[in-house]
Amino acid sequence: DAGVIQSPRHEVTEMGQEVTLRCKPISGHDYLFWYRQTMMRGLELLIYFNNNVPIDDSGMPEDRFSAKMPNASFSTLKIQPSEPRDSAVYFCASSQGLAGGRGEQFFGPGTRLTVL
Amino acid sequence: GENVEQHPSTLSVQEGDSAVIKCTYSDSASNYFPWYKQELGKRPQLIIDIRSNVGEKKDQRIAVTLNKTAKHFSLHITETQPEDSAVYFCAFTGGGNKLTFGTGTQLKVEL
Repeated sequence: DAGVIQSPRHEVTEMGQEVTLRCKPISGHDYLFWYRQTMMRGLELLIYFNNNVPIDDSGMPEDRFSAKMPNASFSTLKIQPSEPRDSAVYFCASSQGLAGGRGEQFFGPGTRLTVL
Repeated sequence: GENVEQHPSTLSVQEGDSAVIKCTYSDSASNYFPWYKQELGKRPQLIIDIRSNVGEKKDQRIAVTLNKTAKHFSLHITETQPEDSAVYFCAFTGGGNKLTFGTGTQLKVEL
């Protein structure tokens, strides 16, 4: 298995533009997580899905952020409009089962987003 | 909400020495405590984990101990090597079984 795949790996955009980050989880995994990592705030969970259904989006910073999972092999995180403070590394992770059960979370390589 | 404190934020040791990183958590219902290693520019990767029904777990040079009464758990690395240099994150399951991560410890192993 290729592991969790994310695209793009790097994104540079201007303030106000729409940004779409993509993730393909490991085949057979039923949980998908989106994290944001910054020096100031560390690793934060934004949202997670179970069987394509959003379970907890309490970490989504504001209405500018949205996430979807139309099927078991694809998820997107969209920021519209983007702002400089959104600059961060965004990680997608997937697991089979919950943490504490079978559910080791495997992280993708991340997308480094820079908003100018 | 869930909270975890991780100390120290930076740690420098000589090659061959031991390193200890400690985390304190708030949610007494937590039952799963993983540790992740993140090398510069790379993704976090699980290195060891422990469940609440176990007090200690070892995997070669790495060990984790858990004190549920005091609500803290620690990562121990013995005989440190340069390739151990990285940022280490503790985590625990908070509400809803999602992971809450600590703020990270930058470990530097010097020759």
